[in-house]
Amino acid sequence: DTEVTQTPKHLVMGMTNKKSLKCEQHMGHRAMYWYKQKAKKPPELMFVYSYEKLSINESVPSRFSPECPNSSLLNLHLHALQPEDSALYLCASSQEGNRGAGNTIYFGEGSWLTVV
Amino acid sequence: GNSVTQMEGPVTLSEEAFLTINCTYTATGYPSLFWYVQYPGEGLQLLLKATKADDKGSNKGFEATYRKETTSFHLEKGSVQVSDSAVYFCALSAASYNTDKLIFGTGTRLQVFP
Repeated sequence: DTEVTQTPKHLVMGMTNKKSLKCEQHMGHRAMYWYKQKAKKPPELMFVYSYEKLSINESVPSRFSPECPNSSLLNLHLHALQPEDSALYLCASSQEGNRGAGNTIYFGEGSWLTVV
Repeated sequence: GNSVTQMEGPVTLSEEAFLTINCTYTATGYPSLFWYVQYPGEGLQLLLKATKADDKGSNKGFEATYRKETTSFHLEKGSVQVSDSAVYFCALSAASYNTDKLIFGTGTRLQVFP
């Protein structure tokens, strides 16, 4: 069973809505990630937080806004999205994010987002 | 740059058949290698990993050996079950990165029929 918990599991939102995806882990991991996965494609990295600081932003549009309130929580705030942003959004965590030591990245079940 | 190449799918097998999914990589330095599995409608689960040359990762009857000389990490299972039907992703995490950034292959869909 995954120890990375994501809510909601499904979200439908209009292009003018503001919504948030939430992620929580209690494994003591200090790195947390957001990935986006389109159908039949591999996950694509969006953001990495290391020790609660944003360390990687893969040129993601500003309509996606990450937030890391503490070491266990990660949010993704959504505003003015487009239909092409519909995808599975995966949260993940790993033990230490800033040493590049090949630590295992653990994924949540994902949030299925549909933009109408 | 770093990259992962996987065989195209879908791979279609009968139950109890032998499975091989090929994975090769290009990387600077000494990457760690992973296989993740994604069941329909779910997130990614770590299947196995290897962090140095000649290491063998294994889990649930699946195995993969880190071959530096051929830059490969092929996934094998001796006898597949219908419940193994899923998408399998090979991935690397390169030590040259400052953080644990996974580079994924395109994924290989496995379909097992009774």
